[in-house]
Amino acid sequence: EVQLLQSGAGLVQPGGSLRLSCAASGFTFSNYAMTWVRQAPGKGLEWVSTISGSGDSTYYTDSVKGRFTISRDNSKNTLYLQMNSLRDEDTAVYYCAKPDCTSTSCYTQDSWGQGTLVTVSS
Amino acid sequence: DIQMTQSPSSLSASVGDRVTITCRASQSISSYLNWYHQKPGKAPKLLIYTASSLQSGVPSRFSGSGSGTDFTLTISSLQPEDFATYYCQQSYSSPPTFGQGTKVEIK
Repeated sequence: EVQLLQSGAGLVQPGGSLRLSCAASGFTFSNYAMTWVRQAPGKGLEWVSTISGSGDSTYYTDSVKGRFTISRDNSKNTLYLQMNSLRDEDTAVYYCAKPDCTSTSCYTQDSWGQGTLVTVSS
Repeated sequence: DIQMTQSPSSLSASVGDRVTITCRASQSISSYLNWYHQKPGKAPKLLIYTASSLQSGVPSRFSGSGSGTDFTLTISSLQPEDFATYYCQQSYSSPPTFGQGTKVEIK
């Protein structure tokens, strides 16, 4: 059974930093690109970032480029999202998600973590 | 970016009703359209992929149709556990984009 267990939620001041983690099990982690999706309070879903299975290729939505870094440790089956220079508008529940195929251009997410709340506020 | 527009934004229905939600893409996405639902405080769950394929374990009362720019999700007989928010998502090109959601409420 695929499991994605997230950690790292927290309250941070504007301009601060936070790192989210997503521990994966039940599938060959290194074979799959992985994605972060966020959801602001009361709002819809927004794709944030994707990393290839090897970690060599990364992709970001424009609003987080230069501030967020996606990474992975395939030896630990863990995905990360390092968030720096956080803004009020980054407040959201962040989900890690696994696609249904192994290509980096697989955008159908068939498994999701439980979500972690990031609150940016002074 | 491809814009996804759902209608309606919300609807009220009774158990046993047939419910239809539509999703329109700002350009052709072939059949690269997924449907998810999300219950309050929970992660989204994949229901339908490539417009009409039922995800494993999803009840057969859910069905999807469409291609190009216009798509439909149908729930043939609404059950109590189906009251949730439904999102469409295009998987045709990066960035993958979602519709704004359709909240299905109890009448």
